[in-house]
Parts: sequence; C-alpha cells; structure tokens
Amino acid sequence: DQQVKQNSPSLSVQEGRISILNCDYTNSMFDYFLWYKKYPAEGPTFLISISSIKDKNEDGRFTVFLNKSAKHLSLHIVPSQPGDSAVYFCAASPTPAGGTSYGKLTFGQGTILTVHP
Amino acid sequence: SQTIHQWPATLVQPVGSPLSLECTVEGTSNPNLYWYRQAAGRGLQLLFYSVGIGQISSEVPQNLSASRPQDRQFILSSKKLLLSDSGFYLCAWKDTSYEQYFGPGTRLTVT
Repeated sequence: DQQVKQNSPSLSVQEGRISILNCDYTNSMFDYFLWYKKYPAEGPTFLISISSIKDKNEDGRFTVFLNKSAKHLSLHIVPSQPGDSAVYFCAASPTPAGGTSYGKLTFGQGTILTVHP
Repeated sequence: SQTIHQWPATLVQPVGSPLSLECTVEGTSNPNLYWYRQAAGRGLQLLFYSVGIGQISSEVPQNLSASRPQDRQFILSSKKLLLSDSGFYLCAWKDTSYEQYFGPGTRLTVT
C-alpha cells in the first residue's frame, strides 16, 4: 500500500521556466512533509519542508504548497536551472517527530526532473 | 557541524557471501539512525531504524540484519547474500527535528 505517491516518474522543463513536482498521500496521520533531491550515486539531500499547519513554505527558488483537504503537496522551482536536474523525493512523517513514530519517513517513488539548457 | 560517513562506497559480492556495511555519524549525540535501500528505479525503502544503542527495529522481513554497537555507529549485515540484495544502501540520522540527513550511500552488486 503506497501511502505516498509521486505519479509522474519524470518531468522535462526548459531552463528558466517553472518546474512543478507533485505528491499525493493517503494517510491522514501524516503531519509533516519534506522534499529531498538526489543525484545519481549520492545520498538524498534535504531541500524544504512544510508542517500541516501551513499551506505554503518558501526558500529561495523553492516553494512547497500543501493542500491538506486534497492530501496533495507540490514543489515549485522557479526559475529552473540545469543543476536542478535530479530525482526529487517527497516524504511524509506523522507527528510527533519523536515518540512512537520514531521519526520514520515514508517516501514516494521519486520524480526524475530534467532541466534543458 | 554534523557529518555522516558510509563505507565502502561500492561493493561487488558473490551470492552466498557475508556482508557488512558501516555507517558513522559525527557531531551529534543519541541520534536516531536508519538504513534504507533503493532498488534500481525504485523509491527509498526503510529497512531498519534505531533509537539507541542496541535498539534495532526491522521494517521489512529479509535476509539482512542491523546492529548499533555504539551511539553513533550503525552496521548492516548479512550472513549470506542473495541476488535480490543488490541495490543502493543509504544510512540516515536525525535528532529531535523531522529532517533526516543521509550519507553518501553504498552501491552493492551481488553477482
């Protein structure tokens, strides 16, 4: 049972345009959401996160939007750059960060973003 | 600042051979530690997690085991590797926040 889904395996975007990566979840216990970026043969790096008490979080070129009623989040990258080409993973965590959830994250399958010069 | 190390970076092992992958974290105390596997073209699958020395929880029944002999050391092992154990193994740590931070990974190929 895939509790976090990234339905687009890949996305191709022109440099300078907006990249929108989508993620859906089914578990209503998820309360905190994260995006990771991964280059081939490297570990994922944390990009940006959002708590369920917010609907938007922005960090430079990266903005994450959360629609809790639709159980949907998206990552916007504006403007896209060739160096953004990577696999992007969405992840979700139930609250609290510690406690009985032990901080476990549930990851989506990832979306390969290719930004063309 | 905190850093996480994994070794080896790549490993080619025959079927039936043992496995030991090591992960160490610096610059933090009593972190939660995690082992993930990424199979080819797949997402990240949580294998084991640990909230303290000697405390290991398994997420998926499999041919692998984990141990945490020291606060900042996490080891992934197998007595006999299977072909299906091939993949990219990642170690991660977290403190009291939600974010997990990953090591560089180990590419394991079982032949």
